[in-house]
This record gives sequence, C-alpha cells and structure tokens, in this order.
Amino acid sequence: EIVLTQSPGTLSLSPGERATFSCRASQSVTSSSLAWYQQKPGQTPRLLIYGASSRATGIPDRFSGSGSGTDFTLTISRLEPEDSAVYYCQHYGTSPPITFGPGTKVDIK
Amino acid sequence: QVQLVESGGGVVQPGRSLRLSCAASGFTFTSYGMHWVRQAPGKGLEWVAVIWFDGKNKYYADSVKGRFTISRDNSKNTLSLQMNSLRAEDTAVYYCARSVSEPLGLAVARYMDVWGKGATVTVS
Repeated sequence: EIVLTQSPGTLSLSPGERATFSCRASQSVTSSSLAWYQQKPGQTPRLLIYGASSRATGIPDRFSGSGSGTDFTLTISRLEPEDSAVYYCQHYGTSPPITFGPGTKVDIK
Repeated sequence: QVQLVESGGGVVQPGRSLRLSCAASGFTFTSYGMHWVRQAPGKGLEWVAVIWFDGKNKYYADSVKGRFTISRDNSKNTLSLQMNSLRAEDTAVYYCARSVSEPLGLAVARYMDVWGKGATVTVS
C-alpha cells in the first residue's frame, strides 16, 4: 500500500500570495497515478489535477501540479479568497488500494 | 448534466446493516467504474470500494472487507453499497464517485472526476 504524507498540515497566507503544498509517497509511483483534490468547508471534493500535472476541466491556470517518483507538488500561483479549503493528494494506481494523503488546510487571511 | 445522488443514509445501531444507493445521470453509466469514498467527521478522505464498469471486478479497503459489498445495476444506472456488521468507526459521510482511466502519454491516468454530495451514516 502506498502511504501519502502531506506538508504542511496548515498554511495561512494572504490573497495574492503563492501557495505550495507537498505530497510525498512511501515509495516511487508513476506520475499518471497522482491526483489532487480540493474540498471547501461543507462541500464535496473537487478534482483539480490528474496525472500529477494535468488540470481538470474548468480549473483555473493558477493551479499547477508537478513532481515525479516520491515527491509531488501542488502550487497556487496567486491565492484568492475562495481558495480556502483542504487539499488532498491521491494515489490511484493499477492495483487497489487507492490512498489519500491527510490533507493540507489553507486559510486565507 | 452529469450528476450523482446518494441516498439511504441514516442512524443505525452497531452490528446492524444499511444499504446506500447512488443514482447516476447525465452520462453513460455502463462506461465507467464507480467508487465509494467516505469521510469521518472532521477527518480526511478514505477510499472504501470500487466496482468496474461491468460489475465483474470489485475491490475493497481492508477496513471494510468482508462486511461491505459494492454492486451496480446498469439497467437502472444505480450503484449500491451494502454495509453489514456496522461499527462506530464506520460513521462518516459516504460519497460515490465516478472513476476515469485515460491514456496520458504512454501511461494511464486514473482519478475520480465526479462526486456526489454524500450520504451521512451514523452508527450509534
């Protein structure tokens, strides 16, 4: 089973700032298996990034993903107030189980 | 539009059973695998189970294996989760989600692109 760890646990930033989240896998994974989701308070998770770096439909280009092997990164280039949410990375490979990281909470000051 | 709507949640005593349903619309249900994902109060996301597009393959998280059964009725565009021997730690919001597998270069990207609003299950 691939275990994902995310850091930091919480990020407090101001609008317009750049946010960077880390997701580390317990062993090397294929980039195609790594996705990122956003969950706002009281809402359903929303797909942001798949294949480590491909933006999902309708996702603004200020969201970007990168990485390979065991280290992956989600970046929001210019934070907006509506970006306040918890961000999860996910490993979905060829064999179950599918795993999620514990999440990074972003607070917009 | 593409939509997933869960139903069947509620309060149930430990050891009892509950069945969740997920009604799919706006897409060709028979072309997609489907997942159940849960979220305990104040906690993160936990994958529960997946069923392939044709229902022939099913996989479960260790935490529910032997107690939960995922199934689908492609004639009714409906996904189900039969939950038996429920425990307090099964208390969560249960989401159904659509599974996508698509070519990405030489590899295959897998992810969940559409999620329902969730059904709340309380075991108490």
